[in-house]
Amino acid sequence: AQTVTQSQPEMSVQEAETVTLSCTYDTSENNYYLFWYKQPPSRQMILVIRQEAYKQQNATENRFSVNFQKAAKSFSLKISDSQLGDTAMYFCAFVDSNTGKLIFGQGTTLQVKP
Amino acid sequence: DAEITQSPRHKITETGRQVTLACHQTWNHNNMFWYRQDLGHGLRLIHYSYGVQDTNKGEVSDGYSVSRSNTEDLPLTLESAASSQTSVYFCASSESLGDRLGYTFGSGTRLTVV
Repeated sequence: AQTVTQSQPEMSVQEAETVTLSCTYDTSENNYYLFWYKQPPSRQMILVIRQEAYKQQNATENRFSVNFQKAAKSFSLKISDSQLGDTAMYFCAFVDSNTGKLIFGQGTTLQVKP
Repeated sequence: DAEITQSPRHKITETGRQVTLACHQTWNHNNMFWYRQDLGHGLRLIHYSYGVQDTNKGEVSDGYSVSRSNTEDLPLTLESAASSQTSVYFCASSESLGDRLGYTFGSGTRLTVV
């Protein structure tokens, strides 16, 4: 079965510092997509960044970047220059390209402290 | 602008009652999904649909049903609400399987079964 695991239920970081959220996944597929979603207290699911498995280059979106290790099946999210508005729950997710199902990890609650 | 809307935003119901949560999207997406979000479990797939008249069971489908009579709507019905179904429910849609653009989510429905 395809699974996504986030082993850090809660994390905190000081404003302006850098934090890394971990994610591992398990799949037998070779081509797939990985995502990080942000869920602030408003409950809205916001796409932060995505990675295509066939691309070796790590994705970057402004202060957000990923460390994608395909062989290790690892997909961590790095947030640089953390801001108070980054406080949210973050979900790692994997798309099963055969069924289109989005499979989520358990989530990591991130608190950015002033 | 295209959007995906869920209603109601909050609902309280009694054990044993039938409840229907609405999901309406104007993206003209063929694929629609229902998830439930519970602490420690992330988002888990309840049901999904690839198009009109198509429905499929997800990993936590017991006690839930869906129907797809048009492209825009995928209502989720709880046949006989149970306290274990107290949760936040999200509807999502995508243009294609393994959509590299990610999935569009509604703002969620918080359901409390008393």
